Amino acid sequence: DGGITQSPKYLFRKEGQNVTLSCEQNLNHDAMYWYRQDPGQGLRLIYYSQIVNDFQKGDIAEGYSVSREKKESFPLTVTSAQKNPTAFYLCASSIQGAGYEQFFGPGTRLTVL
Amino acid sequence: AQSVSQHNHHVILSEAASLELGCNYSYGGTVNLFWYVQYPGQHLQLLLKYFSGDPLVKGIKGFEAEFIKSKFSFNLRKPSVQWSDTAEYFCAVILTGGFKTIFGAGTRLFVKA
Repeated sequence: DGGITQSPKYLFRKEGQNVTLSCEQNLNHDAMYWYRQDPGQGLRLIYYSQIVNDFQKGDIAEGYSVSREKKESFPLTVTSAQKNPTAFYLCASSIQGAGYEQFFGPGTRLTVL
Repeated sequence: AQSVSQHNHHVILSEAASLELGCNYSYGGTVNLFWYVQYPGQHLQLLLKYFSGDPLVKGIKGFEAEFIKSKFSFNLRKPSVQWSDTAEYFCAVILTGGFKTIFGAGTRLFVKA
């Protein structure tokens, strides 16, 4: 089955700890994205990557970091600098090239205690 | 700044009622338009998309949307909703040639059986 996997589904962390969210895709897509979904705010772009070893900040990158060492993997680290990290995080991928639809993973709900 | 506005945050309908969800965007150039749907407990998935050509596009499950360029709108419609259409619906826009998709805040639809 082709698709995007995110793990874990639920994640709890203490305030001040960094945490890394996993995102893997086997769709052979070049582009990958991280979004944050908060109630009533839709999806806001954190980071995106068009190709391996390259990524760009989205609208709300502060307090987050990413890496893209492999085509199929795009992990997101939520650092202690992120002021309000409790949220639902969605990973997506698409064929390289502008305007293509995105395919989404199941999401990770992060709760910082 | 570019933005996408969805007019209703919550909509409640009875089965067989007609549905229209509004979406307006503010973008200066040529755009590609999408509606995504998130059913309870499922991944966000594409409902329909408009790139060019006939401004009336048809998607899965009997949904359609009309692109009205002069009004910067891309409203979603369905003549007769079913209980299984209960979901959250997101309008999304990307500039043709761009890489950043802007999502609306979402509309939660609840269909009463």
